[in-house]
Amino acid sequence: GQQLNQSPQSMFIQEGEDVSMNCTSSSIFNTWLWYKQDPGEGPVLLIALYKAGELTSNGRLTAQFGITRKDSFLNISASIPSDVGIYFCAGRRLGGGSQGNLIFGKGTKLSVKP
Amino acid sequence: EAGVTQSPTHLIKTRGQQVTLRCSPISGHTSVYWYQQALGLGLQFLLWYDEGEERNRGNFPPRFSGRQFPNYSSELNVNALELEDSALYLCASSLGGSGANVLTFGAGSRLTVL
Repeated sequence: GQQLNQSPQSMFIQEGEDVSMNCTSSSIFNTWLWYKQDPGEGPVLLIALYKAGELTSNGRLTAQFGITRKDSFLNISASIPSDVGIYFCAGRRLGGGSQGNLIFGKGTKLSVKP
Repeated sequence: EAGVTQSPTHLIKTRGQQVTLRCSPISGHTSVYWYQQALGLGLQFLLWYDEGEERNRGNFPPRFSGRQFPNYSSELNVNALELEDSALYLCASSLGGSGANVLTFGAGSRLTVL
């Protein structure tokens, strides 16, 4: 099935640094969601975006729905050790999805340098 | 409000055996989704149930099957287990219908096949 292109696949960051990741698609989306998954747990919703150009924050996290409706970005400011985990983007294609509505990216694994 | 609950949390089976995983959605949610997450990989869509009907299935062999009960809980059955079926199986629920956007995940069932 169709998947989103999520990058980077993994990244190591220094505590206190800002982090950016993004998802792109060749299709137009009308919903973008960002999830975080801690080891051994299920993904937890961080931010939901429903409108092109929308910029939404959740604490140190900020996500944007791209103007073209084909991409989305997630930024984490001043990273801390508990930010470690895998971040997934998910989108719902205009006209409905082919996988029960949502299509997931392959994830960005975030690790903090000791 | 109780979240999505899955059972069992961990189980070990041997090749050729059969397994049944269970999921209870959030109260009021009528759609249930099943995903497979093998180690280090993203979420692979398995099945989507809504109002007791299978709405879509991913690219998995027929030995992966399931059902949704009148109370909207769901089971995932995997027959003739193979080593590569070892994975975290995630269940998610959402409000029903094609307008549902946000999936809420359970903590998963970790299956190990020896």
